[in-house]
Amino acid sequence: KAGVTQTPRYLIKTRGQQVTLSCSPISGHRSVSWYQQTPGQGLQFLFEYFSETQRNKGNFPGRFSGRQFSNSRSEMNVSTLELGDSALYLCASSLGVSAEQSNEQFFGPGTRLTVL
Amino acid sequence: GDSVTQMEGPVTLSEEAFLTINCTYTATGYPSLFWYVQYPGEGLQLLLKATKADDKGSNKGFEATYRKETTSFHLEKGSVQVSDSAVYFCALKGNTGGFKTIFGAGTRLFVKA
Repeated sequence: KAGVTQTPRYLIKTRGQQVTLSCSPISGHRSVSWYQQTPGQGLQFLFEYFSETQRNKGNFPGRFSGRQFSNSRSEMNVSTLELGDSALYLCASSLGVSAEQSNEQFFGPGTRLTVL
Repeated sequence: GDSVTQMEGPVTLSEEAFLTINCTYTATGYPSLFWYVQYPGEGLQLLLKATKADDKGSNKGFEATYRKETTSFHLEKGSVQVSDSAVYFCALKGNTGGFKTIFGAGTRLFVKA
């Protein structure tokens, strides 16, 4: 089974620009979560999508948004980039069945975003 | 709300030393508990998990026991190797807060030859 894939792996943008990151989950997984990882703040939850609906949201400004398509692939978008948005953005997929809280998450390798 | 607290790093050990990374949690009900590991330049991967009290998760020589009385899930390994150098994250998935996984801050482990 193919793992979680994220594209692109590396991205360099300048302040004020916008960026779209893509995540393809493991086949059969319906839940996709996004995290921002920085040395100072650790792993911070952005949002989770399940069956094309946002099911959970973290404490990030409205510049951060996402969506999920019918094939479970997900994208996240960051508008009006700031220097502080430089981070590793990780996507994770899971079966997402609500009754099975023991389902672990499977992570992609991440997209390294640098904002200049 | 639910939360996870794990010991700050970095932790530096010599090869074949005993490893303990402490993790405690706050949650209502009976969460599932996980340890994830992140090797340099990679995403996180599941190391082990436990879904109910007194369960012991184990993998690759690592172990952790779900202790409800102390709300802990400490990670242990009897003899670490240089290849175990990575960042370790304790996490929980509970009944509240929707279906998201709550992660600790991570503990970086360096193992010297």
